Amino acid sequence: NAGVTQTPKFQVLKTGQSMTLQCAQDMNHNSMYWYRQDPGMGLRLIYYSASEGTTDKGEVPNGYNVSRLNKREFSLRLESAAPSQTSVYFCASSELGTSAPLHFGNGTRLTVT
Amino acid sequence: GQQVMQIPQYQHVQEGEDFTTYCNSSTTLSNIQWYKQRPGGHPVFLIQLVKSGEVKKQKRLTFQFGEAKKNSSLHITATQTTDVGTYFCAGPGGTASKLTFGTGTRLQVTL
Repeated sequence: NAGVTQTPKFQVLKTGQSMTLQCAQDMNHNSMYWYRQDPGMGLRLIYYSASEGTTDKGEVPNGYNVSRLNKREFSLRLESAAPSQTSVYFCASSELGTSAPLHFGNGTRLTVT
Repeated sequence: GQQVMQIPQYQHVQEGEDFTTYCNSSTTLSNIQWYKQRPGGHPVFLIQLVKSGEVKKQKRLTFQFGEAKKNSSLHITATQTTDVGTYFCAGPGGTASKLTFGTGTRLQVTL
């Protein structure tokens, strides 16, 4: 039972390049989330998907797009990377919303030069 | 928007000393969750509190939810080096679908 799987683990981009972070969960969870973590800033919500077919903005959505491809998969896309997007990105899932615990993936460490 | 603050930001203790982190929300919370993140790792769920004034224990860890459901605390008795990491509280952020995390308290334990 893999839980939440994120790819890639590490990525270096140049300013202006695009990329997609992949996330998949095998726990049949309804809700999925993308957070970014920066030193001293804690975890900030980028986008979330309460259930399959829906997506909503979190605290810091600018510069990102998401796709809830199916119940298992939730991807995060950076269309034109900027140095300010250098961060560690975590995908998480929960059975339904905030009444259930979040299960996190191992994270993607992204550097934009 | 909702804000969740934690104090202290950082604490360094000797093994065997106690540790407490406090979490304060700008709004009333329907529930509060606590997570632990080891250095280089990902956050891992510890516990959820739902009722006003609720107290739960997990071995040396004691979690409390305030009477007004706007604050919470985590107390560790007799810390061990395995307790090293960052502890986050988190609560529903405006809607039932998204969780807002506190700023975290980083705990360092030395022998």
